[in-house]
Amino acid sequence: GAVVSQHPSWVICKSGTSVKIECRSLDFQATTMFWYRQFPKQSLMLMATSNEGSKATYEQGVEKDKFLINHASLTLSTLTVTSAHPEDSSFYICSAPYGSGNGEQFFGPGTRLTVL
Amino acid sequence: KNEVEQSPQNLTAQEGEFITINCSYSVGISALHWLQQHPGGGIVSLFMLSSGKKKHGRLIATINIQEKHSSLHITASHPRDSAVYICAVVGDKLIFGTGTRLQVFP
Repeated sequence: GAVVSQHPSWVICKSGTSVKIECRSLDFQATTMFWYRQFPKQSLMLMATSNEGSKATYEQGVEKDKFLINHASLTLSTLTVTSAHPEDSSFYICSAPYGSGNGEQFFGPGTRLTVL
Repeated sequence: KNEVEQSPQNLTAQEGEFITINCSYSVGISALHWLQQHPGGGIVSLFMLSSGKKKHGRLIATINIQEKHSSLHITASHPRDSAVYICAVVGDKLIFGTGTRLQVFP
């Protein structure tokens, strides 16, 4: 099946620093990618929809200036957590639909962010 | 009330047992995903279905659009099936259920 990669798989950073997470579709192109956040023992929550060539669409309650999304190419979307705080510590996951926007979603392996 | 409800929340089984996980939703959807998340966190898409039934190995997924209900069945369960199983519906956006934590003991 289609493969989506994320980098890094884990990151530990100091409070106040910015962290960039990459999401790549390895064997298919994705005009749309999705970013999720998952707290321990909770389900995934959609943060934003990343659109190639245009601005991301953020879900209610997600700060655009805090979570910067750039969909640089048809195979790469990046999420930058700016001025990270301990409450931003979470598991961040991306997904990309294969084929059309409503195609089967393929998920990245996730990035565990710990902010000290 | 959540738009996507799963039951049970937790499930333990002996190896070899037949397992059923249920998902009910209250929104209009175009498709439904069943996902598997292992302790490391990675998510695998098991099925995407919009009607009827799909089978892959020991896994079977069914959906009843009129009743807004889907089930995931695992036949001859095995300890390696231990994971969190998540139902996600495709409406205006992808909405996730809270997951079912399955543990299969040898």
